[in-house]
Amino acid sequence: QVQLVQSGAEVKKPGASVKVSCKASGYTFTSYDISWVRQAPGQGLEWMGWISVYNDNTNYAQKLQGRVTMTTDTSTSTAYMELRSLRSDDTAVYYCVRGAGSSPLGLDVWGQGTTVTVSS
Amino acid sequence: QSVLTQPPSVSGAPGQRVTISCTGSSSNIGAGYDVHWYQQLPGTAPRLLIYGNSNRPSGVPDRFSGSKSGTSGSLAITGLQAEDEADYYCQSYDSSLSGVVFGGGTKLTVL
Repeated sequence: QVQLVQSGAEVKKPGASVKVSCKASGYTFTSYDISWVRQAPGQGLEWMGWISVYNDNTNYAQKLQGRVTMTTDTSTSTAYMELRSLRSDDTAVYYCVRGAGSSPLGLDVWGQGTTVTVSS
Repeated sequence: QSVLTQPPSVSGAPGQRVTISCTGSSSNIGAGYDVHWYQQLPGTAPRLLIYGNSNRPSGVPDRFSGSKSGTSGSLAITGLQAEDEADYYCQSYDSSLSGVVFGGGTKLTVL
């Protein structure tokens, strides 16, 4: 079955970086974009950006420009999201999702989420 | 403040019908971009409920339906069940922001 499996929870200090992985299976990895969405505790969903797995083009949310990098490794069907200069308000559950925001198909497959806690 | 506006909460008794609105603007829903809906049960990842304004992925009961008109989208749930108690989010694309936008979410309580 189609699924996205993410790496485990992380605890980081302010100013550090975190890199979350997302391994895809059950479909042709290069046929779909991968988006990243985060959710702070008790809050709504926030789009972070997406990457075209086909050509590595990226589109990042303006508020994260300069701090986030999304990459893929097609040899292992894995997507990565790195966030740098972490702050306490980056504490959230991070989801990788199949699809791009402008697609008429929506964001159709979600990873299980990775909890990132930023605390001194 | 979310770009797409949803009511914070709605409620209904089992068997009733509820609707959740999603109001955007001329740079997102009104520009012709699709509205999608997601359901998030407590402690779980969101799941796609409605895509392309009114289409249901396989496995989603036909009690759930979506529509779009002008700068707004709407999710309707008929025959409410206790298991429908969840947070619901709308999503679209915004050309001014060149990115994805979500509504703030609506908590559905089944009385």
